[in-house]
Amino acid sequence: GQQVMQIPQYQHVQEGEDFTTYCNSSTTLSNIQWYKQRPGGHPVFLIQLVKSGEVKKQKRLTFQFGEAKKNSSLHITATQTTDVGTYFCAGLYGGSQGNLIFGKGTKLSVKP
Amino acid sequence: NAGVMQNPRHLVRRRGQEARLRCSPMKGHSHVYWYRQLPEEGLKFMVYLQKENIIDESGMPKERFSAEFPKEGPSILRIQQVVRGDSAAYFCASSPRTGENTEAFFGQGTRLTVV
Repeated sequence: GQQVMQIPQYQHVQEGEDFTTYCNSSTTLSNIQWYKQRPGGHPVFLIQLVKSGEVKKQKRLTFQFGEAKKNSSLHITATQTTDVGTYFCAGLYGGSQGNLIFGKGTKLSVKP
Repeated sequence: NAGVMQNPRHLVRRRGQEARLRCSPMKGHSHVYWYRQLPEEGLKFMVYLQKENIIDESGMPKERFSAEFPKEGPSILRIQQVVRGDSAAYFCASSPRTGENTEAFFGQGTRLTVV
């Protein structure tokens, strides 16, 4: 079945260090989305990538979509304690009739 | 425009009882997803529905679980004869799915505890 693999599962960083999480799909995606879930909260949409090789930035966050539309990454520069949470990628398969499949997430903790 | 509304927020059921979880999507959204999340784990896809139609239920257990999204009213996730292993957070998300606009908006979730 459709599966999105995400690594690492956990990442502990010192405040100010960079952080990267990676997603990989065995099949081509229509698009990929990224979400953040704070402890005890619900997932909140961050961004959507649609085009092959696309790169988008949101302040200290950089999102990339691979050329083959099978992998993606989220990079945070100079982490802050407010970045704490679990970051999920979600792949959309099959276009307008497809479902949204989430990776298992990367839980980020930031030590002040 | 209210967000995705889920109720109840917390639900306690004894083993063997039924659990009914409700989700009202955002206004104008006709696509609904249900996900289950165990503590410290990711979101597991259960079912994807459009109004009156189940599009993909490949993530739903074959027995005891059912979902609907009627023409009027909220989407319902129904779990019959609950067991302890059903204890989890159940999140509903809705999406407009118009053109490239496919992002999902999540509700606060229903935390189900089976005792």
